[in-house]
Amino acid sequence: EPEVTQTPSHQVTQMGQEVILRCVPISNHLYFYWYRQILGQKVEFLVSFYNNEISEKSEIFDDQFSVERPDGSNFTLKIRSTKLEDSAMYFCASSELVGVGETQYFGPGTRLLVL
Amino acid sequence: SQKIEQNSEALNIQEGKTATLTCNYTNYSPAYLQWYRQDPGRGPVFLLLIRENEKEKRKERLKVTFDTTLKQSLFHITASQPADSATYLCALDRDDKIIFGKGTRLHILP
Repeated sequence: EPEVTQTPSHQVTQMGQEVILRCVPISNHLYFYWYRQILGQKVEFLVSFYNNEISEKSEIFDDQFSVERPDGSNFTLKIRSTKLEDSAMYFCASSELVGVGETQYFGPGTRLLVL
Repeated sequence: SQKIEQNSEALNIQEGKTATLTCNYTNYSPAYLQWYRQDPGRGPVFLLLIRENEKEKRKERLKVTFDTTLKQSLFHITASQPADSATYLCALDRDDKIIFGKGTRLHILP
């Protein structure tokens, strides 16, 4: 069964450094998402992406964050200057379509630790 | 803003019994509601979706109900097994994003 993959599984970085989290969505999916989950808290929406554009973003997704689809398969989340509070699990998701009832498929996540 | 509340942070159920998890929401009238399972250190896995015009949905040992008057969904696992132990997330779809509840950690005791 096709699945969303993410690399790396774990990333440790120093505060102020840039990190890039990578995702390979399911191949025929057109819509891509990033979510994060701080330890012990709920999964929170960051951004959705379609047709090489951000379609929606949350208040969390400030100027420090950016997303890109550099080629036909990868979808990346960049954090320009990491802060301690960016430490979290970051989940990529994809869906074939968007709209009412469209299921999103989640990757296994990247655990980011900012020191 | 939309708010989703799940009945308890943790729930212990004896193996073989039915586990029932509750999800309440406010400030929103979703067209449908979803339930996901999340294991420790893993991403959410979609289980079931129920639409506003459906009262009940079943999938194997899982059953979901949706009461739009009460603004509540119930998630049942019948004949529960230790392998059902996980966190179960209720979620509402808003445009092209999913809003999750905090989840209920379910422990099935052997």
